[in-house]
Amino acid sequence: AQSVTQLGSHVSVSEGALVLLRCNYSSSVPPYLFWYVQYPNQGLQLLLKYTSAATLVKGINGFEAEFKKSETSFHLTKPSAHMSDAAEYFCAVSRTNAGGTSYGKLTFGQGTILTVHP
Amino acid sequence: GAVVSQHPSRVICKSGTSVKIECRSLDFQATTMFWYRQFPKQSLMLMATSNEGSKATYEQGVEKDKFLINHASLTLSTLTVTSAHPEDSSFYICSASYGRGASDTQYFGPGTRLTVL
Repeated sequence: AQSVTQLGSHVSVSEGALVLLRCNYSSSVPPYLFWYVQYPNQGLQLLLKYTSAATLVKGINGFEAEFKKSETSFHLTKPSAHMSDAAEYFCAVSRTNAGGTSYGKLTFGQGTILTVHP
Repeated sequence: GAVVSQHPSRVICKSGTSVKIECRSLDFQATTMFWYRQFPKQSLMLMATSNEGSKATYEQGVEKDKFLINHASLTLSTLTVTSAHPEDSSFYICSASYGRGASDTQYFGPGTRLTVL
């Protein structure tokens, strides 16, 4: 079974500072990994996803994430935080069964609330 | 593109009544729709997966007779909470996907806040 762990339920940064949101995964098969963002009163929006094409994945709004198999990590970063980045961020892994079949189901991490201070 | 809507956005009902939540893909045909439940300060928990024209697949521990899912068309899925009780109060979120592959993106609705009195 696949799982993800997000380290830190709350992260606070100053505007212009580096954003680093941590996600570690557990999977016995090559994983597909996703980062979603949830703004207040809105649905989750895809930031980026890893599908084994390239280990460094660039997403929307200046975010990127690097897949590191040796560390089983998929941390999300942004060089310079903006006030509009304040939201809750979810890391997710696509489930596959023992035979490698997936039905598109996702397992989500606990979420990390990002606060950006002026 | 890939917009998903949910209706209603919030509903308050009395214990014992049934509530229906609609999930629509507005600008695409969704092969698969998913229903999640999110408790306060917790993550999304998948409840069930539905494909148009077939029975929904429920996750372990989810009562299929309590949470009825209908996926009548490629753009509409409904979740009916039957005989709702206060413990069913939660935030229900749907998502829709073009396919059923491991790398397919899910597009999420804004959620429905259910409060059962």
